[in-house]
Amino acid sequence: AQTVTQSQPEMSVQEAETVTLSCTYDTSENNYYLFWYKQPPSRQMILVIRQEAYKQQNATENRFSVNFQKAAKSFSLKISDSQLGDTAMYFCAFMNYNAGNMLTFGGGTRLMVKP
Amino acid sequence: EADIYQTPRYLVIGTGKKITLECSQTMGHDKMYWYQQDPGMELHLIHYSYGVNSTEKGDLSSESTVSRIRTEHFPLTLESARPSHTSQYLCASSPSELYGYTFGSGTRLTVV
Repeated sequence: AQTVTQSQPEMSVQEAETVTLSCTYDTSENNYYLFWYKQPPSRQMILVIRQEAYKQQNATENRFSVNFQKAAKSFSLKISDSQLGDTAMYFCAFMNYNAGNMLTFGGGTRLMVKP
Repeated sequence: EADIYQTPRYLVIGTGKKITLECSQTMGHDKMYWYQQDPGMELHLIHYSYGVNSTEKGDLSSESTVSRIRTEHFPLTLESARPSHTSQYLCASSPSELYGYTFGSGTRLTVV
């Protein structure tokens, strides 16, 4: 079974600065997908960014980018120019390719952006 | 804005009551999921469905039941609510692995 570990339960960052959230996973599979989700306080969980394991290039979505290290089984999220609206729980998630579309989530990191 | 809807958003009920949490999506996704999110925010899969008339239990044992009579509708029912059922319940749907899940806004249930 796959496991996803987020070792930082809480983090804080000053507005406009950069922060990196860590995620490691354990799998024996070679083909899979990785995701970062954001859950703002009392609001809907939304997809931030995704990475396909067979792609070596790191995914980027505006201020959000990942550092995907397949050999190390690491998938960190970098948020540049942090904004107050980035305050949220962030969940890293793993999905095996062709394994029933099941997402395995990490325990989450609570990020606070301070003005 | 995601096309997956959960009602009610908040619910406070007494012990022993029967409740149904509604989840509907207009995206035509075959795969749907129910997660329970505990106060520590960890997510636990309690039920999933791969299509009409398909339902399976998830990793976390739950006293709830689900049904999938229509593609767009995936309700969750608790026959007799208990305080231990107090939690947030998230519904999600997915078209395929590549796109991950789309989540609803959640139902925050409190059983008193």
